[in-house]
Amino acid sequence: EDQVTQSPEALRLQEGESSSLNCSYTVSGLRGLFWYRQDPGKGPEFLFTLYSAGEEKEKERLKATLTKKESFLHITAPKPEDSATYLCAVQAGQAGTALIFGKGTTLSVSS
Amino acid sequence: DAGVIQSPRHEVTEMGQEVTLRCKPISGHNSLFWYRQTMMRGLELLIYFNNNVPIDDSGMPEDRFSAKMPNASFSTLKIQPSEPRDSAVYFCASSSFRTSGVDTQYFGPGTRLTVL
Repeated sequence: EDQVTQSPEALRLQEGESSSLNCSYTVSGLRGLFWYRQDPGKGPEFLFTLYSAGEEKEKERLKATLTKKESFLHITAPKPEDSATYLCAVQAGQAGTALIFGKGTTLSVSS
Repeated sequence: DAGVIQSPRHEVTEMGQEVTLRCKPISGHNSLFWYRQTMMRGLELLIYFNNNVPIDDSGMPEDRFSAKMPNASFSTLKIQPSEPRDSAVYFCASSSFRTSGVDTQYFGPGTRLTVL
């Protein structure tokens, strides 16, 4: 069974304190791994897609990496506005199929 | 680009009533997904369509749930009769289906459903 597990469930950081969020997955035929950000009361907002092991993508203070078993979302020198829930999802099998989501990591950054 | 549009944003109803949620996907997208989010189970797929055709409805919990996509710019999710355990946030997402590569799904703002 395809599965996505995110850790930790919650993370509290001080402003400027770098850290990483983990997403481990078991899936047959990975097509892509996605990271989304979700703010309270809003829909998930797309951040990155990673296609193959070794790939990295960056956006401002965020960098996503991918191995054959897991992905990391590295947050460098976070700011309070980075506080949100970060969701990891995989797409497997054929194109156009649905995403399988992890339960997310809720990040809180205090100043 | 208006993004994915969902209505209503909030719905409060009583047990046994019919509820209809609506979604307008991003123009030009031909895949549409309905997800449900709860604290306990996170985001889970209910049903998805490619080119207006339902492909996988294995996530629809019961016969009380039904979904339609009469054209490329509109979809509905109906619950009849509604029950308190249906209370959740329902999201619609759309993507541009391609036979190669990966298609990114873009989410709407969601409909928060409360069944009393």
